Amino acid sequence: DAGVTQSPTHLIKTRGQQVTLRCSPKSGHDTVSWYQQALGQGPQFIFQYYEEEERQRGNFPDRFSGHQFPNYSSELNVNALLLGDSALYLCASKDWGASGSPLHFGNGTRLTVT
Amino acid sequence: AQSVAQPEDQVNVAEGNPLTVKCTYSVSGNPYLFWYVQYPNRGLQFLLKYITGDNLVKGSYGFEAEFNKSQTSFHLKKPSALVSDSALYFCAVRDNDYKLSFGAGTTVTVRA
Repeated sequence: DAGVTQSPTHLIKTRGQQVTLRCSPKSGHDTVSWYQQALGQGPQFIFQYYEEEERQRGNFPDRFSGHQFPNYSSELNVNALLLGDSALYLCASKDWGASGSPLHFGNGTRLTVT
Repeated sequence: AQSVAQPEDQVNVAEGNPLTVKCTYSVSGNPYLFWYVQYPNRGLQFLLKYITGDNLVKGSYGFEAEFNKSQTSFHLKKPSALVSDSALYFCAVRDNDYKLSFGAGTTVTVRA
């Protein structure tokens, strides 16, 4: 049973560029959330997708956008990259109907903006 | 707004000694509390949760946590720490729509 998988593992981009990160949720999960973890900090919530719609959004600018596909996989897009966007981006999934169950996290994508 | 605080950046213990990692929370309504562990260059692994019920929650790898409503705390404990427990630990609180708010994390170092 595959857990949450993210690609790519590492990515290096230049300021001003655009990036797309991908996530496949754990089998049986239909809800995907994205978190940004800057170095030395706790993860910060970006947004959450369920039924292909953005359900909640954290305090992130519109440069951060996402999408969920019919197979529940998800993408995180970041436009006009800034140096401060350098971080570990974590995807998490769960079954929306299992309210007491925890989020399951992937190993993340390490984004470096130069 | 919900939040958690982890007052200690680092905790150092000797192998075999008890380990405690502190967490306090602030929520309106009933708290949904979680502990996660993160090893270098990895994602977060779920350890345990408190939703309702017994104040002492048992989780993975011998960890447990004590929920204290009057002190708004949810401290993580392990009776006998192992060197392999050395990692970064996060406390988190969840809202009704599954959004997690994390603490800043506590680095645990267990020396042999």
